Amino acid sequence: DQQVKQNSPSLSVQEGRISILNCDYTNSMFDYFLWYKKYPAEGPTFLISISSIKDKNEDGRFTVFLNKSAKHLSLHIVPSQPGDSAVYFCAAKSIDTGNQFYFGTGTSLTVIP
Amino acid sequence: EADIYQTPRYLVIGTGKKITLECSQTMGHDKMYWYQQDPGMELHLIHYSYGVNSTEKGDLSSESTVSRIRTEHFPLTLESARPSHTSQYLCASRVHYEQFFGPGTRLTVL
Repeated sequence: DQQVKQNSPSLSVQEGRISILNCDYTNSMFDYFLWYKKYPAEGPTFLISISSIKDKNEDGRFTVFLNKSAKHLSLHIVPSQPGDSAVYFCAAKSIDTGNQFYFGTGTSLTVIP
Repeated sequence: EADIYQTPRYLVIGTGKKITLECSQTMGHDKMYWYQQDPGMELHLIHYSYGVNSTEKGDLSSESTVSRIRTEHFPLTLESARPSHTSQYLCASRVHYEQFFGPGTRLTVL
């Protein structure tokens, strides 16, 4: 059973606007969350993360929001740029299986110039 | 910048062949991972390692083996490849909670 879900397979956004990518999870033992970005023919690269003790983390144009009561996190990209076009994966770590990470299926973001 | 390498990048082989996918990192990370990913799907953990001579099985480990004789090297072996093994294989090393991924090996078993 998939514990991390990204229900939107794709998203298109105009350049300069905000991109919002969503991720839902089911395991209440998750205590750390990460976002990765993947270009075709490359491996995923780390983008931003957040601990469960926080509800927001910001790094330049990227902000991750965590709503623990809803078991939901989102990645905001403002302003979106064409180079942001990639597949974005949400991942989570459980406090009781600290060395394993659970990934979503990814959302393909297209930023239209 | 992370340095993690995977070879080969692409491999097409016949059923029943034994293959080894190579993964090396130059960062001295103790923790390393192997994942399998099909298009549009999540990454599935195959094996992971805490350090030299320490490996653990993930969800999809039953048809493969790994070894960790040196910190920098974490090869994955399929003893007898089958068409169901056709997939992309991603290796990663980890520091804190951040994983650094290699470019992947695209395997096709005919």
